Amino acid sequence: AQSVAQPEDQVKVAEGNPLTVKCTYSVSGNPYLFWYVQYPNRGLQFLLKYITGDNLVKGSYGFEAEFNKSQTSFHLKKPSALVSDSALYFCAVRGPYSGNTGKLIFGQGTTLQVKP
Amino acid sequence: NAGVTQTPKFQVLKTGQSMTLQCAQDMNHNSMYWYRQDPGMGLRLIYYSASEGTTDKGEVPNGYNVSRLNKREFSLRLESAAPSQTSVYFCASSRQGDTGELFFGEGSRLTVL
Repeated sequence: AQSVAQPEDQVKVAEGNPLTVKCTYSVSGNPYLFWYVQYPNRGLQFLLKYITGDNLVKGSYGFEAEFNKSQTSFHLKKPSALVSDSALYFCAVRGPYSGNTGKLIFGQGTTLQVKP
Repeated sequence: NAGVTQTPKFQVLKTGQSMTLQCAQDMNHNSMYWYRQDPGMGLRLIYYSASEGTTDKGEVPNGYNVSRLNKREFSLRLESAAPSQTSVYFCASSRQGDTGELFFGEGSRLTVL
């Protein structure tokens, strides 16, 4: 069965410091991996995705993620955090047998708090 | 740019009451989804519609029904609400064949007393 885990409920960093939000996955075959962000009282917004190719994927708002097949991980990173990055972040996976849809399995979410 | 619009944004029900959550998208997307979000559990797929005229169960379909009214609209119905259905519900849509970039509405917060 497909699954994704975010081992940290909360990550706290100081503004200007690098940030990492962790994600590990379990899926048969080659995974499609995603990061979404949710600001308070809003819907989720797509940040980036890995389908194939370069293991380092760049996305919106300066975020990037590194796909590591041997460690089955897809960690979200940003070189310099902003207070405005404070939000709830979700990792998601789509297995190779999801058909012609965007059915995703989401992790439980990680709250990122960036302190001034 | 309306995107995905959900109504109502807030609703309080008593156990046993019924209601329908409405969702409409104006992006000409083929696929639509209903997720529920609960603290510490992420988002779980309730039902989805890969294209107009089709619907399929997701991870947690019990207690829900859906209707894909046309290409734009996808409604979620609770026939007899239970406290366990207290949650935030999100509708989303995606292009056919897209590899998973979903566009979400702003959510509907439902409380069942």
